[in-house]
Amino acid sequence: EAGVAQSPRYKIIEKRQSVAFWCNPISGHATLYWYQQILGQGPKLLIQFQNNGVVDDSQLPKDRFSAERLKGVDSTLKIQPAKLEDSAVYLCASSLAGGGAGGREQFFGPGTRLTVL
Amino acid sequence: GENVEQHPSTLSVQEGDSAVIKCTYSDSASNYFPWYKQELGKRPQLIIDIRSNVGEKKDQRIAVTLNKTAKHFSLHITETQPEDSAVYFCAASTLAGKSTFGDGTTLTVKP
Repeated sequence: EAGVAQSPRYKIIEKRQSVAFWCNPISGHATLYWYQQILGQGPKLLIQFQNNGVVDDSQLPKDRFSAERLKGVDSTLKIQPAKLEDSAVYLCASSLAGGGAGGREQFFGPGTRLTVL
Repeated sequence: GENVEQHPSTLSVQEGDSAVIKCTYSDSASNYFPWYKQELGKRPQLIIDIRSNVGEKKDQRIAVTLNKTAKHFSLHITETQPEDSAVYFCAASTLAGKSTFGDGTTLTVKP
């Protein structure tokens, strides 16, 4: 089966510019996650979708970050305007729905490495 | 919110030795505890997981133990090989599937 797809793989922008990332999850996976992974740290959850609804966005800096998952399939994450501290790898992951039984294995995409100059 | 602490941050062992990585979590509602391996420049991949109704799980050279009372869980790798060298992340997940990751352990297995 095809894995989680992300694009672009690399992006370099100037601070205060905007950037958007795209993710296509594994077919049939209802849950989609966006993580920010700063060098030397673990992935930090930004937002979790269940189909096209938001389950958790408590750690999303909403003044500059936004995400959507129209039609409950692929998703975009946007940063506007970017700051230097946004330099990180942005990982998208998907999983089957937990169905109330708790977490499930997450399948990660290759990530987008963002550098903000 | 959930807080996951992982120790040690770096671990170096000789090939054939065992490696142990420990994590503690704060939210007693967490019920799923996966471990991911991330090789340099690659995506994290699940290597083993455990649910809160189980105390131990083993898969060949890898095992995970969970102490719900103390809120800690550990990854054990026996007979380490150079290809085990990577960054290992623990995570704690709630019923809703929200996962909090530790900051990772860089394991180096010296031939």
